[in-house]
Amino acid sequence: DVKVTQSSRYLVKRTGEKVFLECVQDMDHENMFWYRQDPGLGLRLIYFSYDVKMKEKGDIPEGYSVSREKKERFSLILESASTNQTSMYLCASSLGGVGTDTQYFGPGTRLTVL
Amino acid sequence: AQKITQTQPGMFVQEKEAVTLDCTYDTSDPSYGLFWYKQPSSGEMIFLIYQGSYDQQNATEGRYSLNFQKARKSANLVISASQLGDSAMYFCAMREGRSGAGSYQLTFGKGTKLSVIP
Repeated sequence: DVKVTQSSRYLVKRTGEKVFLECVQDMDHENMFWYRQDPGLGLRLIYFSYDVKMKEKGDIPEGYSVSREKKERFSLILESASTNQTSMYLCASSLGGVGTDTQYFGPGTRLTVL
Repeated sequence: AQKITQTQPGMFVQEKEAVTLDCTYDTSDPSYGLFWYKQPSSGEMIFLIYQGSYDQQNATEGRYSLNFQKARKSANLVISASQLGDSAMYFCAMREGRSGAGSYQLTFGKGTKLSVIP
């Protein structure tokens, strides 16, 4: 079974803090993704990575950066957290290549910025 | 224009009955894939079923089936014999056959909240 884990289920931070959200997958997947989920807006892609040290902007990258130093780990960084970044953050991974390439998700991190 | 449209914000179904969740999509790519995910209140997104644009038959996975009507650009999820554990948010998503890194992206609909009544 694919296992995607996220470092925290719940996180509370203050405005201006630097925030790290960690995601680890154990299936040697090539691709990893970060989404945020807000009520009424569905899931929106922030960043994704298709290889180590490679990254691509998604639909809403502003205010975020990412790091992928190792294949199994993909970090989302909020350089200076703001209240409008309060949200549910979901990490996913996929094998890559052609075909189905299903994305498998972690349990999510509910971030509150005060 | 939205690429994935789920017109039912919420639905109710009696336990043991079948239910259809609607999804329409918009793409000009001939090659694409359609996915359905379930999100219980715990938050994790669970993959349910996949349909490729070139697949001749509708996909089925246990109690889940996908009613794929290509000409109408619809990919409705059918859940047979609903169970209380089916109560969750359901999301339809599409991966388009663009070249390069763009081909990895999924676009999600806004979801349908399904409530199963005992």
